[in-house]
Amino acid sequence: GAGVSQSPSNKVTEKGKDVELRCDPISGHTALYWYRQRLGQGLEFLIYFQGNSAPDKSGLPSDRFSAERTGESVSTLTIQRTQQEDSAVYLCASSLNVREQYFGPGTRLTVL
Amino acid sequence: KQEVTQIPAALSVPEGENLVLNCSFTDSAIYNLQWFRQDPGKGLTSLLLIQSSQREQTSGRLNASLDKSSGRSTLYIAASQPGDSATYLCAANSGNTPLVFGKGTRLSVIA
Repeated sequence: GAGVSQSPSNKVTEKGKDVELRCDPISGHTALYWYRQRLGQGLEFLIYFQGNSAPDKSGLPSDRFSAERTGESVSTLTIQRTQQEDSAVYLCASSLNVREQYFGPGTRLTVL
Repeated sequence: KQEVTQIPAALSVPEGENLVLNCSFTDSAIYNLQWFRQDPGKGLTSLLLIQSSQREQTSGRLNASLDKSSGRSTLYIAASQPGDSATYLCAANSGNTPLVFGKGTRLSVIA
């Protein structure tokens, strides 16, 4: 069956521009997670959705970052006024209840 | 706050050798412990999931164990192959919560 998909796979943008990253979870998965992996570093949690609500936004690094989920399906992570330190691979994962998390291939964001 | 540590950071072994990757965590109140593989420039592939009531899981040449009392998990790879070369990540969570990741062990299997 289809796994988690993310788009775009690569995004190059100029400092100060806004970007939107999309995640399509596995159909029926109730939980959706966004993580970030900067070059040479471990994965850091950004935000988690249960259904369409986000009980845990504690990982969002600043108010330039926001995310939404609609229809208990697609999620969009938006970064406003991008900075060079936002350059990273943004990974999305989904899970069914408390079961294992399945990851998408990621979006590589480069801010020039 | 959960912290996950992986040792060693990098490991190089000859093909055919059996090896063990180590993972330790600070909070034993975990629900899931998950091992992943990450190839350069790629996303994460889930290898094994151990739930808190389980002690180990096996898939092919891979065996993962969990000892909550000591805060440790190990990933055993039997008869290693060059195709096993990748970064292996250990992560833990408590129920339906975000995973806390270790920094990974970068494995190189030399033919």
